[in-house]
Parts: sequence; structure tokens; C-alpha cells
Amino acid sequence: GENVEQHPSTLSVQEGDSAVIKCTYSDSASNYFPWYKQELGKGPQLIIDIRSNVGEKKDQRIAVTLNKTAKHFSLHITETQPEDSAVYFCAASNPMDSNYQLIWGAGTKLIIKP
Amino acid sequence: DTAVSQTPKYLVTQMGNDKSIKCEQNLGHDTMYWYKQDSKKFLKIMFSYNNKELIINETVPNRFSPKSPDKAHLNLHINSLELGDSAVYFCASSFLRTSGTDTQYFGPGTRLTVL
Repeated sequence: GENVEQHPSTLSVQEGDSAVIKCTYSDSASNYFPWYKQELGKGPQLIIDIRSNVGEKKDQRIAVTLNKTAKHFSLHITETQPEDSAVYFCAASNPMDSNYQLIWGAGTKLIIKP
Repeated sequence: DTAVSQTPKYLVTQMGNDKSIKCEQNLGHDTMYWYKQDSKKFLKIMFSYNNKELIINETVPNRFSPKSPDKAHLNLHINSLELGDSAVYFCASSFLRTSGTDTQYFGPGTRLTVL
């Protein structure tokens, strides 16, 4: 079955700098890769996703890149702000999985230092 | 208007007790989920229902029993609570499409503490 590894587990960056979180997946049939942000005391919320027919997707200060050959995808946050502090989760999904299950990474705690 | 709501938000109870957590979504989704998040923030899928039918049933003790009375509700009943059940439990909902997974919308979570 699919396995998703996420690194680093904790990332501390200076406000205004960029942050990059990386995930690798094992099932080459996976074709959907969302990123969720979990703020303190709240449930995770989708911030951006990418499907395997594209290599990059941007939404203002966040972007996701996908390398299907290497089976890894990354979240990029530019010009980080204090409100970016949260736990970020990557996930992967294989459309051939009859349960349509999302396989989750272990999460990255992003700390933005003022 | 809350999209996915859970009650209660906090639940403190003694070992051995039985408790329930309720979840409701008003998004018109056909699929609902229960997740367990431990102290290390790892998200573990427990159950999923699609149109009131169980489609995901991960390795979870049979003390946990989900019930879906209709597409908008998914409740979680836990018997004989143990210390290791202490965690935050999240309900989520989504559409399931033939193309695969759709965005999951999460509730605010229920923090369960077993003493």
C-alpha cells in the first residue's frame, strides 16, 4: 500500500524567509496530493493540492511542486508571516484504491520567528 | 454557519466508562470520516462511511463503534475507555467522486481525556 514520508518534523524560519516542506510517496499510481494546514486548536484545512498531470501549482504565497519520477512533492511558502505558524500535513491518494483513502504524512510543525 | 460540527468539544471521563461523540455536516457531502490525532499530531484514519455504508474500517479496537443514521451524521461510540484512548478525535466529510478523492472538511475536534 501507499506510504507517505514527510520532512522535516519541525521547521523554524525567520519571518519573511521562505519555508519548504517535502514529502515522498511510494505508490506510483497515486495521482492526488493535497496539503492541509492545522492551526492550534482547529481541524486541518486544505490549502493547496496538485494532481499528477501538472508539475507545479501556485496560489499567492504558497506553491506545490510534484516530481512524479522521483515520487516526491513539496510545499513552498514565500515571505512567511506569523499566521503561517501551524502544523502542515501532506497526503497522497491512489484513484485505484476502492476506498479513495488519503494516506497522510506525519506532519511538520512550522514556527515563524518574529 | 458551521460546516462540520462535533459535540462535545472537550470530554473528560474515567477509565472504563462508555462515551459518544457526535458529528454533523451541512455540506451535502456523501462521505464522512473519523480520525484520531495523538499527542505527536499524527492523523490516523479510523472509519469512513459513504452514503451510510462503511467503506474504511482500519485496525481499531472493537470498543470503537461508528454509527451513521443518515448521510449528514456520523457518531462514534467508545466502550470501556482506556488511558490510551486519550487523543483529539476529528470528524471530516467530503464527496467521493469517480475521479478519486475530493477535499475533506474537518470539524473542530473533540479532545478526549481518560483519567
